[in-house]
Amino acid sequence: TQLLEQSPQFLSIQEGENLTVYCNSSSVFSSLQWYRQEPGEGPVLLVTVVTGGEVKKLKRLTFQFGDARKDSSLHITAAQPGDTGLYLCAGVSWGKFQFGAGTQVVVTP
Amino acid sequence: NAGVTQTPKFRILKIGQSMTLQCTQDMNHNYMYWYRQDPGMGLKLIYYSVGAGITDKGEVPNGYNVSRSTTEDFPLRLELAAPSQTSVYFCATRRSAQSRETQYFGPGTRLLVL
Repeated sequence: TQLLEQSPQFLSIQEGENLTVYCNSSSVFSSLQWYRQEPGEGPVLLVTVVTGGEVKKLKRLTFQFGDARKDSSLHITAAQPGDTGLYLCAGVSWGKFQFGAGTQVVVTP
Repeated sequence: NAGVTQTPKFRILKIGQSMTLQCTQDMNHNYMYWYRQDPGMGLKLIYYSVGAGITDKGEVPNGYNVSRSTTEDFPLRLELAAPSQTSVYFCATRRSAQSRETQYFGPGTRLLVL
């Protein structure tokens, strides 16, 4: 079983600060996806990274896929209260998804 | 266009009871998935289907069964409910296995087994 580890488990910051969430595995994935989940709702896809070394930007969010396609990071610049949520990474292999346990991010005004 | 719908939203079961969690999609997606999400544990794949008539086990299939008689529906059956099955269950769909394809999730079913 491939294991995806996310760190930190919980992150509480003030509005305007930056944060980085990490997703690490000992296995190689064909792609990796990042989701955000609000309480009482299903996860919503933020981005998919496919190529080793790939960097994608989504407004204030920057996603990076490691060169070896085993790890990824999510960086949020100037966090806002609307960024609060559970951030999940998911490695994709043979059409199946392996999810990390998630990082709970809380941004206070 | 409703996307992925799940029913019921919440259910309480007694140990040993059975129930079916319903999942319906109107996006004509081939791939469908059932996950469970326990607090602090992320999502774990229970079963998945790559098309009507085809299902396969995921990471945690014990205690569950599925069927896929149509493209639209992918019900999850619990035969003998156990407290360990208390969780939030999510159904998801995907058009294909292409790497950049989005996975769409339903709103979830919260199940409590007492």
